Amino acid sequence: DAGVIQSPRHEVTEMGQEVTLRCKPISGHNSLFWYRQTMMRGLELLIYFNNNVPIDDSGMPEDRFSAKMPNASFSTLKIQPSEPRDSAVYFCASSPTGLLPVNKEQYFGPGTRLTVT
Amino acid sequence: SQQGEEDPQALSIQEGENATMNCSYKTSINNLQWYRQNSGRGLVHLILIRSNEREKHSGRLRVTLDTSKKSSSLLITASRAADTASYFCATQAAGNKLTFGGGTRVLVKP
Repeated sequence: DAGVIQSPRHEVTEMGQEVTLRCKPISGHNSLFWYRQTMMRGLELLIYFNNNVPIDDSGMPEDRFSAKMPNASFSTLKIQPSEPRDSAVYFCASSPTGLLPVNKEQYFGPGTRLTVT
Repeated sequence: SQQGEEDPQALSIQEGENATMNCSYKTSINNLQWYRQNSGRGLVHLILIRSNEREKHSGRLRVTLDTSKKSSSLLITASRAADTASYFCATQAAGNKLTFGGGTRVLVKP
């Protein structure tokens, strides 16, 4: 299994530009999570999906951020317009299928390092 | 907000020594998980301990959970240079959302 795949691995963009981060979860996993990691704020959950449906987006910083999961094998996180304070490492993680969502570990992708100048 | 808070924030030990780090949390949980993150990499799941368990082992890792004190500890025995990483605790309450702590940076010197 290839694990969680994220692209791009690095992204450098100018303030005001649109940024799209992509994630392919592990096949068969029905939960997908987007996190942001910075030195100042640590690891923050932005949004998560169960069976392609957004369940909790309370961590999304503001309306400039949006996430979609059009099918079980693909998700995007979009920032429009981007700002320097969005610079961070963005992780996607997926979690295995089960009758109950609890007691499941998460599998993280390698992350996308975003720099907004 | 962070549910889990790790202590210490950083730890430096010699190879072969044991490393112990602690995690405290605030609300009731279904389970507590520990993850490792090597520099520039994603997090890797190490061990999950359920709220009705008190201790769990996995190789050189030993995790304890005290729900009355809302705390957990991770012990790495006979540390190796390859154990150098940041270690995070994460709590899972309702649903499958995890809330991570700030992490403990561990440096194992050869």
